[in-house]
Amino acid sequence: QKEVEQNSGPLSVPEGAIASLNCTYSDRGSQSFFWYRQYSGKSPELIMFIYSNGDKEDGRFTAQLNKASQYVSLLIRDSQPSDSATYLCAVPGGGGYNKLIFGAGTRLAVHP
Amino acid sequence: SAVISQKPSRDICQRGTSLTIQCQVDSQVTMMFWYRQQPGQSLTLIATANQGSEATYESGFVIDKFPISRPNLTFSTLTVSNMSPEDSSIYLCSVAANNGLNEQYFGPGTRLTVT
Repeated sequence: QKEVEQNSGPLSVPEGAIASLNCTYSDRGSQSFFWYRQYSGKSPELIMFIYSNGDKEDGRFTAQLNKASQYVSLLIRDSQPSDSATYLCAVPGGGGYNKLIFGAGTRLAVHP
Repeated sequence: SAVISQKPSRDICQRGTSLTIQCQVDSQVTMMFWYRQQPGQSLTLIATANQGSEATYESGFVIDKFPISRPNLTFSTLTVSNMSPEDSSIYLCSVAANNGLNEQYFGPGTRLTVT
C-alpha cells in the first residue's frame, strides 16, 4: 500500500517569509507529485505538479524533489496571509486508473 | 481545466435514508473519481468511475453502500445508501485531465450531515 506522509502542522510563518512544506512517499517508483491547496470549507485546488525529471518554479511557488530521500517539498516565497490553507501532497496510486493517494495535509498559517 | 459542478451543495438527512449526489463536467472526461473527506481529515478515495464499465471501489467501500452511475462522459452520480451519522462528511467528485497524466481537478463538494 503506497503511503504519503505530511506533518499536520500548523506551520506558522510571518508574512514575507519562506514557507517550506514537506511530503515523504513510500513508493520509490513514483514518477509524479502533486500539490493541492485547500482553503477551509473549500475543495482542493491543484497548484503545482512535478515529474521525476526535475524541480519546477511557478511564481512564488517552487516544488523540489529529492528522489534519494523520497521526499518532495513545496516552497512558498514571500508568504502572504492569503496563503494560509492546508496543503495536500499526492502521488499516483497505480493500478492503471490514474488515481491519487493523498497525504493528510499540512496546515499553513501566515501571520501579519 | 474543466468546470465541475455538484448537486446538492449540502444536505441534512435522516438515518436510514439515501442521498444521490450529482457531478457534472463541462467537457468530456474519461475518468471520474469520488472521494470522502471527513472533518479535519484528508481525502479518501471511494471509487473510480469510468464510462461504460462498473466502478472500481477501494478497500473498505462497497457497491451496495455507495452505488455509482456513469451514464456518459460528462456526468456521474454517487448514492450514499442507508445512511448513518458516520456517513456525515464532505463528498467530492474529481476528474482526471485527458492528457494521460495524473492531474485531477475537484468539484466544489457536497456537505452531508446525517442525523
